[in-house]
Amino acid sequence: QQQVKQSPQSLIVQKGGISIINCAYENTAFDYFPWYQQFPGKGPALLIAIRPDVSEKKEGRFTISFNKSAKQFSLHIMDSQPGDSATYFCAAKVSGGYNKLIFGAGTRLAVHP
Amino acid sequence: DTEVTQTPKHLVMGMTNKKSLKCEQHMGHRAMYWYKQKAKKPPELMFVYSYEKLSINESVPSRFSPECPNSSLLNLHLHALQPEDSALYLCASSQDLPSGRYFGPGTRLTVT
Repeated sequence: QQQVKQSPQSLIVQKGGISIINCAYENTAFDYFPWYQQFPGKGPALLIAIRPDVSEKKEGRFTISFNKSAKQFSLHIMDSQPGDSATYFCAAKVSGGYNKLIFGAGTRLAVHP
Repeated sequence: DTEVTQTPKHLVMGMTNKKSLKCEQHMGHRAMYWYKQKAKKPPELMFVYSYEKLSINESVPSRFSPECPNSSLLNLHLHALQPEDSALYLCASSQDLPSGRYFGPGTRLTVT
């Protein structure tokens, strides 16, 4: 099944806190898992991505944790800032064919000062 | 430079108009894409071009017509659109089909 389930739908975090967004999938043919950040009226920006042979990837305050056996991956935003307030989409790319990118439904993050 | 540019930023058109959206990238990417995004929803794939050839048309109505004049440019020609076609139209590119996709800022289209 080519679906990616993302939760929560919305998230409120205090400044300095940790934001955690989770995604789960069923299709084992996915071979690349990017996260996109989108501000209102803007296009999605590639934030960080991971391949299934790696369990964790960190870039600055952003970390992806990947659990291949559970078919789950998550985004952690450490020391969350008001400027991080945006919609976050997880995605999974199908291996082969035209490498279709399947998006999660999105999480609207609000970081309060 | 990881920039994909799109023009215009905003477009209002009537249902009988013909207009075009333009997308440009200078990253040497060989795959380019058109997506449509409705409010509070993820992007939906419309078309995929690989090496300037149309690879995928995701059952998009014929009132949307893509064109790839060269490896850096992608156009989307619009004709006889419906109000429900109002959305943010996003262009994206990637080094090749298996690589990560970079999105442009989008064109906000309103059909009246």
